[in-house]
Amino acid sequence: GENVEQHPSTLSVQEGDSAVIKCTYSDSASNYFPWYKQELGKGPQLIIDIRSNVGEKKDQRIAVTLNKTAKHFSLHITETQPEDSAVYFCAAPRTGANNLFFGTGTRLTVIP
Amino acid sequence: EAGVTQFPSHSVIEKGQTVTLRCDPISGHDNLYWYRRVMGKEIKFLLHFVKESKQDESGMPNNRFLAERTGGTYSTLKVQPAELEDSGVYFCASSSRRTGLRVSYNEQFFGPGTRLTVL
Repeated sequence: GENVEQHPSTLSVQEGDSAVIKCTYSDSASNYFPWYKQELGKGPQLIIDIRSNVGEKKDQRIAVTLNKTAKHFSLHITETQPEDSAVYFCAAPRTGANNLFFGTGTRLTVIP
Repeated sequence: EAGVTQFPSHSVIEKGQTVTLRCDPISGHDNLYWYRRVMGKEIKFLLHFVKESKQDESGMPNNRFLAERTGGTYSTLKVQPAELEDSGVYFCASSSRRTGLRVSYNEQFFGPGTRLTVL
């Protein structure tokens, strides 16, 4: 938590290609890293999360990797589809609290 | 199961006026959070309720913001008087409380947000 940086701010990919969004965090005590997807007119929705005791987690076309040494984690979307177009946010918890620090968001556009 | 709901969806007010935002969390969720996103920036934490008690209000910008959660159900966030920099999207989120853990990171379910524009 404390500070979460997210890149890129915008990303356009062709349908079927992969998309990767990267985040870094500053608090080495952070141990939970969720990714949220926000579609137009809706609130952020959790799509995948990872805890610090694993380095990778996969759920169908979505995967998240975590490098605790480097303090960064990434979202990977394979075989992108137009419905993947949205704003994606990474987050990390504030140490000792339940609230989250969010990145600035990545607007992903999948071009049909 | 109904999700988190927020009212209104949009609000346009003039500087100096008062606005009250409402959040209805998922039934049974003890934790309720308020966040705000100013255009193009990160979603920033404002405060956290556990039932009717303010657990953490370290993110509240100043004393023009007042949040309440009477009875531990719905919550309101009042801005009085509103300033131009208060414009943004205000999100409410709720989560259940896992017992037996000192800090538990349960999924936070977000509402659709209230877009506040202060002119």
